[in-house]
Amino acid sequence: GENVEQHPSTLSVQEGDSAVIKCTYSDSASNYFPWYKQELGKRPQLIIDIRSNVGEKKDQRIAVTLNKTAKHFSLHITETQPEDSAVYFCAALETSYDKVIFGPGTSLSVIP
Amino acid sequence: EPEVTQTPSHQVTQMGQEVILRCVPISNHLYFYWYRQILGQKVEFLVSFYNNEISEKSEIFDDQFSVERPDGSNFTLKIRSTKLEDSAMYFCASSLPGQGTNTGELFFGEGSRLTVL
Repeated sequence: GENVEQHPSTLSVQEGDSAVIKCTYSDSASNYFPWYKQELGKRPQLIIDIRSNVGEKKDQRIAVTLNKTAKHFSLHITETQPEDSAVYFCAALETSYDKVIFGPGTSLSVIP
Repeated sequence: EPEVTQTPSHQVTQMGQEVILRCVPISNHLYFYWYRQILGQKVEFLVSFYNNEISEKSEIFDDQFSVERPDGSNFTLKIRSTKLEDSAMYFCASSLPGQGTNTGELFFGEGSRLTVL
């Protein structure tokens, strides 16, 4: 089955700097890659996603890149703000199977 | 904006007891899920449900667990004979169908925190 790895497990950046979180997946049939943000005590919330037919997607300060050959995908946050501090989870899905598998998470701290 | 709702928000139970966690998915969604998150750890897939039957389940989802959609709106997770290690946040999620398959875009409820003593 699908296995999703995520690095780093913790990340601390200065406000205004960029943050990059990287994930790898094992199932080459996976074709949907969402990213979720989870604030302390809250539910995971979808912040951006990418499907396998594109290599990059951007939404304001957030971008995601996908390398299907290498089975890598990454989240890029530019101009970080303190409210970006949270745990970020990457995930992968092969849409013929109803099973979104999450990575272990990255705890991002943005220092004012 | 429509939301997935879950009850109870927190349940405390004694080891060995049965618990039922309830969820109301978003009304036009067709895929339903339960995930578990032990404090400070990853979000773990338990089970997915489509067309009134389980479509996928994980190794965690053993005979202790069952799911049901007893009416047109509720989706429940039953945990029989609870163990200490069942203590976790349980999230329900739902998603829309895409072109013949699941879009994968999960909408999560706020979670039910289960504490087993």
